[in-house]
Amino acid sequence: DVKVTQSSRYLVKRTGEKVFLECVQDMDHENMFWYRQDPGLGLRLIYFSYDVKMKEKGDIPEGYSVSREKKERFSLILESASTNQTSMYLCASSFSGSRGNTIYFGEGSWLTVV
Amino acid sequence: SQQGEEDPQALSIQEGENATMNCSYKTSINNLQWYRQNSGRGLVHLILIRSNEREKHSGRLRVTLDTSKKSSSLLITASRAADTASYFCATAHTGGGNKLTFGTGTQLKVEL
Repeated sequence: DVKVTQSSRYLVKRTGEKVFLECVQDMDHENMFWYRQDPGLGLRLIYFSYDVKMKEKGDIPEGYSVSREKKERFSLILESASTNQTSMYLCASSFSGSRGNTIYFGEGSWLTVV
Repeated sequence: SQQGEEDPQALSIQEGENATMNCSYKTSINNLQWYRQNSGRGLVHLILIRSNEREKHSGRLRVTLDTSKKSSSLLITASRAADTASYFCATAHTGGGNKLTFGTGTQLKVEL
């Protein structure tokens, strides 16, 4: 079975802190994604990566950065956390090309910024 | 934004009834997918329909796609309490690679 593991399920951080959300997948997927989920807004794509060290902005990249130094790991970084970044963050991965139609999600990380 | 919308936002039915939820999107697609999310968990892929397909079945799930109206529907037949979850449509847009754009979701509650 595909496993996408998000290291932290629940985090509480203070405004202005630097926050790291880590995600690891074990299926040798080329693509990795970070989404943010808020009530009434569905899932919105923050960043995605289609290869090691490659990244592309999604729909809402402001206030976030990402790092992909190894194929299996994709990190989301909040340089200076703000209260409007309180949300559920979902990591996902997929193959590229025609094998990449299905994406696999982690269990989510609930971040509260106070 | 290319984000789609599901309709209705919330649906409550009795066990054994059928549940229908709809999805509309804005730009041309390669495929459309439906995902399920149990409360507080990640999303799980249910079914994919390609842009050249009109209907697809998987167990108790039936998906239709009307590209002329840019809409899709998901039918769950003979619903069970365990079907209670949020359901999201996701579209792979032409030229978008493997990125998916998700809708806002339908919360389905199946009561005993």
